[in-house]
Amino acid sequence: GAVVSQHPSRVICKSGTSVKIECRSLDFQATTMFWYRQFPKQSLMLMATSNEGSKATYEQGVEKDKFLINHASLTLSTLTVTSAHPEDSSFYICSANSGGEVTDTQYFGPGTRLTVL
Amino acid sequence: GESVGLHLPTLSVQEGDNSIINCAYSNSASDYFIWYKQESGKGPQFIIDIRSNMDKRQGQRVTVLLNKTVKHLSLQIAATQPGDSAVYFCAQGGAQKLVFGQGTRLTINP
Repeated sequence: GAVVSQHPSRVICKSGTSVKIECRSLDFQATTMFWYRQFPKQSLMLMATSNEGSKATYEQGVEKDKFLINHASLTLSTLTVTSAHPEDSSFYICSANSGGEVTDTQYFGPGTRLTVL
Repeated sequence: GESVGLHLPTLSVQEGDNSIINCAYSNSASDYFIWYKQESGKGPQFIIDIRSNMDKRQGQRVTVLLNKTVKHLSLQIAATQPGDSAVYFCAQGGAQKLVFGQGTRLTINP
């Protein structure tokens, strides 16, 4: 149980294009989903917290107009990187928990490797 | 502010030995701590968690110790196996989100 999937696993795009990444909870309803980015040999940095049916809460320094998050259902959240540039190349990881409380275990997806040329 | 740090960025152990990975945290108000394992190119995998009303918790081959006095968290892996090679992150829960430490890379020598 508690499986989170991401699609695509890898994406290569040209500078200036937009990329959408999907995060799905496969066997549970995710009240809250989180989006992280991870640069090589670094830790995970939280980008935003997404609650179903409401606007995402972005961390300081994360541009909400560049990283669009939609959490339209209890099993799906999407992250769209708009007008991507090479500096946006990173490993994007989502996580989900069922209760929405920080003490509820977060289950992570397998990540999406984004490369912007 | 919240911060979670690790004492050592890398740890190398002999196969079969016990591994101990340490983590220091600064926010004493947090009441939830988690250890994750991340293999190369994959998402973090939950290992074990502990709440602040406990000082020890055991799982299968893993034990987490929490010392609130010195704000220290450790992960002990018994009889380390090649499959344990990964980066291990501690994370601290608070204010509806997790704060991750920098990670320790565990390598296993045959």
